[in-house]
Amino acid sequence: GAVVSQHPSWVICKSGTSVKIECRSLDFQATTMFWYRQFPKQSLMLMATSNEGSKATYEQGVEKDKFLINHASLTLSTLTVTSAHPEDSSFYICSARGRQGTKTDTQYFGPGTRLTVL
Amino acid sequence: KQEVTQIPAALSVPEGENLVLNCSFTDSAIYNLQWFRQDPGKGLTSLLLIQSSQREQTSGRLNASLDKSSGRSTLYIAASQPGDSATYLCAVPRDGYSTLTFGKGTMLLVSP
Repeated sequence: GAVVSQHPSWVICKSGTSVKIECRSLDFQATTMFWYRQFPKQSLMLMATSNEGSKATYEQGVEKDKFLINHASLTLSTLTVTSAHPEDSSFYICSARGRQGTKTDTQYFGPGTRLTVL
Repeated sequence: KQEVTQIPAALSVPEGENLVLNCSFTDSAIYNLQWFRQDPGKGLTSLLLIQSSQREQTSGRLNASLDKSSGRSTLYIAASQPGDSATYLCAVPRDGYSTLTFGKGTMLLVSP
């Protein structure tokens, strides 16, 4: 149980285009979802936290107009990288956490999405 | 601001060795501490979670200890195998119960 999926697993796009990444909790309701970015040989850096039905809370230095996050349901969050540039190339990982006090009250991580912007 | 440091950054050992990975954190008021495994190009797999009230957790050949007062945790891997080759990350909640702060990880290579 407690599986989180991401789609796509990898994407290559041209500079200036927008890319949408989906994060789904397959067998539990995720009240909170987190989006991380990981550069090569670096640790995961939190980009934003989103609660279902609310606007995402972005970390300092993360442009909310560039990285659009939508957490429209208890099983789906999307990250859209708008007008992507080569410096946005990275590994994007989401995680999902269930309701506080339940069995799923911990972060479960997705398999990641490799974004390459040409 | 919580900071997490992992030492060593990389480790290469022959199969069968017992090894220790180290994690230190600056703010000892943590809710819990987690150890994760990450294979190249993949997401994270949770290995062990130690609550702040616990001193250690064991799962198979893995044993994680926690010393909150000194801000340290160790992950002990017994009888290492080539399949253990991966990057090991430790993480603590940034404040109380919320988002995780990760270390940069220890890249482990176990050669046959």
